[in-house]
Amino acid sequence: ETGVTQSPTHLIKTRGQQVTLRCSSQSGHNTVSWYQQALGQGPQFIFQYYREEENGRGNFPPRFSGLQFPNYSSELNVNALELDDSALYLCASQTDYNSPLHFGNGTRLTVT
Amino acid sequence: GIQVEQSPPDLILQEGANSTLRCNFSDSVNNLQWFHQNPWGQLINLFYIPSGTKQNGRLSATTVATERYSLLYISSSQTTDSGVYFCTPRGSRLTFGEGTQLTVNP
Repeated sequence: ETGVTQSPTHLIKTRGQQVTLRCSSQSGHNTVSWYQQALGQGPQFIFQYYREEENGRGNFPPRFSGLQFPNYSSELNVNALELDDSALYLCASQTDYNSPLHFGNGTRLTVT
Repeated sequence: GIQVEQSPPDLILQEGANSTLRCNFSDSVNNLQWFHQNPWGQLINLFYIPSGTKQNGRLSATTVATERYSLLYISSSQTTDSGVYFCTPRGSRLTFGEGTQLTVNP
């Protein structure tokens, strides 16, 4: 049990729609990161938030955006969904930059 | 960014066998983490190991930071060890390679 909870577990959306994925971290985990994992690949870094501010971003377009809240929850929003956005989306949290990351079980998004 | 190369890409074992997974990385890192991703997609933290050796039950890991590699040893493998193993050097973010796909047959 990692203490990181993601919802929903599965989601099916249509191309062009918007989606919001949610993550709840442990108390004290000030840093949250989001990763996208396509089938057969390793996770790819989307972005990281620290104390509600974006603190680094990977090679993803602006239609991928996020929020982090004071209660250690966070969101990943994706606008204008494309078929290639179909993937497992993973949230990971940590107490600070140098501590181990703990992952949630992920949300499997399918875009049709 | 930091490049990660893991070997072998695929490994098939009989239950009870031992194995060594290797991770090479292209630049110096502050730390390194090994994960196991089970067939249901769950990523489990195995080791957080900047250097030296750590052991946890049947698993152990060694990181030689100066030579930019880490090894994960699995002894007496079990079918529940099946899945993908990732090493992730820590820079400003985790960098994942393609991992090692391990299948342990009964």
